Amino acid sequence: DGGITQSPKYLFRKEGQNVTLSCEQNLNHDAMYWYRQDPGQGLRLIYYSQIVNDFQKGDIAEGYSVSREKKESFPLTVTSAQKNPTAFYLCASSILGGTPGDTEAFFGQGTRLTVV
Amino acid sequence: GQSLEQPSEVTAVEGAIVQINCTYQTSGFYGLSWYQQHDGGAPTFLSYNALDGLEETGRFSSFLSRSDSYGYLLLQELQMKDSASYFCAVSSNTGKLIFGQGTTLQVKP
Repeated sequence: DGGITQSPKYLFRKEGQNVTLSCEQNLNHDAMYWYRQDPGQGLRLIYYSQIVNDFQKGDIAEGYSVSREKKESFPLTVTSAQKNPTAFYLCASSILGGTPGDTEAFFGQGTRLTVV
Repeated sequence: GQSLEQPSEVTAVEGAIVQINCTYQTSGFYGLSWYQQHDGGAPTFLSYNALDGLEETGRFSSFLSRSDSYGYLLLQELQMKDSASYFCAVSSNTGKLIFGQGTTLQVKP
């Protein structure tokens, strides 16, 4: 079955440590996105990528980094510079991000990161 | 920049009709979409409007007015399982997909 997979579902880290969240899709989608969601809040865009080897900062990129070496994969690193990293992180993909024909995004099940 | 506004909460009774509004500001607008998210889950796609007018999909309909930068999601014959958060999102030529803050819908018996 095609889909988008995030791992792990729950992640605990000590303050000051970098941590990498995995996002893999087998939908052959060009565009991928990372969002952060805090309790009772909307989705805020961290980074997005429309094509392999290219990515752009979203609205809250500070303290995060990404790579897009393969079409299927878009890992997110939460660095020690992120002041308040505890949140629910969602990865999404869409067929043709940034084009009029791109109508639907598919989401992974999310990673709940807790920093202690 | 891009921004969206939607009500934070809406309450309705089972079997009723509810409308969730969304106003947006963006340049290079492509379309407005709607997503549903149950507690602790992932958002799932409901509908997309690129042109003015009403799109109907079963009990759910979505409307767009490009000239007013406004859209709404209409939910009919409400069921308890419709209790969830609903997000509007705007896509544009920036490549970004930007979401609103979400509207929590509570359906009561």
